[in-house]
Amino acid sequence: ETGVTQSPTHLIKTRGQQVTLRCSSQSGHNTVSWYQQALGQGPQFIFQYYREEENGRGNFPPRFSGLQFPNYSSELNVNALELDDSALYLCASSLAERRAYEQYFGPGTRLTVT
Amino acid sequence: AQKVTQAQTEISVVEKEDVTLDCVYETRDTTYYLFWYKQPPSGELVFLIRRNSFDEQNEISGRYSWNFQKSTSSFNFTITASQVVDSAVYFCALSEGLTNFGNEKLTFGTGTRLTIIP
Repeated sequence: ETGVTQSPTHLIKTRGQQVTLRCSSQSGHNTVSWYQQALGQGPQFIFQYYREEENGRGNFPPRFSGLQFPNYSSELNVNALELDDSALYLCASSLAERRAYEQYFGPGTRLTVT
Repeated sequence: AQKVTQAQTEISVVEKEDVTLDCVYETRDTTYYLFWYKQPPSGELVFLIRRNSFDEQNEISGRYSWNFQKSTSSFNFTITASQVVDSAVYFCALSEGLTNFGNEKLTFGTGTRLTIIP
């Protein structure tokens, strides 16, 4: 157990809808990264939040957005859902002050878009 | 751009056999970190090891060992005396610094699905 939790576990949405996924960091961690893992693929970096600010972004459109709260928990929002957004969404928490400190992953949210 | 290649999509071995998972990476950074993660059917990525680009010593942890060779840009992972519980998807990953302070993003390979046959 990594201490990173995500909710919900599973989610089914319709194309065009909006979705919010949530992540609680491991205690003491101040950084959250989000990854998208399509079936049969490795995780792809979406973005990272450090002290409530976006700290880097992967090759994802603006309809993917996020928030980090003062308690370092985080949300991933996806607008105008497309079928290709169906994937496992993983969040990972880490501590910025230890460079390349291992990122601890949550169990993920499996999103299905129909 | 950074890239991680895991050429072995699926491997099956009989229990107690040794198995090696290959990982080849590309980066222009002089300082980087390499990782291995295990993903069991539950989906959660489990951290196995982190290796600094300046440390080419091989590492052994129980039945697991890692061979890092900078000259061939490879970071291979060997499981000795495999067990059924080792069945999972294994990912190799490469870090890339996002800012001068602290944090990194990970670039993952496509994973190797390892099945241990009882």
